[in-house]
Amino acid sequence: NAGVTQTPKFRILKIGQSMTLQCTQDMNHNYMYWYRQDPGMGLKLIYYSVGAGITDKGEVPNGYNVSRSTTEDFPLRLELAAPSQTSVYFCASSYGVGRGGRAGNQPQHFGDGTRLSIL
Amino acid sequence: KNEVEQSPQNLTAQEGEFITINCSYSVGISALHWLQQHPGGGIVSLFMLSSGKKKHGRLIATINIQEKHSSLHITASHPRDSAVYICAVPSGEASGSRLTFGEGTQLTVNP
Repeated sequence: NAGVTQTPKFRILKIGQSMTLQCTQDMNHNYMYWYRQDPGMGLKLIYYSVGAGITDKGEVPNGYNVSRSTTEDFPLRLELAAPSQTSVYFCASSYGVGRGGRAGNQPQHFGDGTRLSIL
Repeated sequence: KNEVEQSPQNLTAQEGEFITINCSYSVGISALHWLQQHPGGGIVSLFMLSSGKKKHGRLIATINIQEKHSSLHITASHPRDSAVYICAVPSGEASGSRLTFGEGTQLTVNP
């Protein structure tokens, strides 16, 4: 199993450009997450999904969009990139039991991250 | 929302020393996670525990549910243990699918 795969690993964008960060997992996990990690800060949840067709906002959703059309894929879309979105982005997945279920009791599996710079 | 505090923020040790990293949280939980972030950035789950103690190799994690406190210990530390260690707890029973993460402890083990 490849686990959680994120692409690209690095990207530089100009202000106002848009892009999609790709995330796919092959563990048949129903829960998937997008986090951002700023220097010296903890992981902040952007969006998460408890299953195909269901997405919910996390702590810092502004400026981002997600979709979950399949169990495997959970792309993160940046529209109108801003310097404040310069960060390292991590995708993760885990098992969970239904919406609001106890996925907090399941380990999360992380991708290798995408380092994004907005200039 | 559960608040998570880790201490220390930074820790430097000599090879062979016994390491302790602490984590406190504010709301009762069903499980606590310890993760390791490698110098290259990758994040792996080390432990998930809801009571008592778990051991994996030289790593030991303990939790005291009543005191809302957990510790991660590393015995006979080695330079390859140098990494950021992160504590995480469920954000609350109403949002049991989400984790709140501490800011991490940067550990450097010198040879």
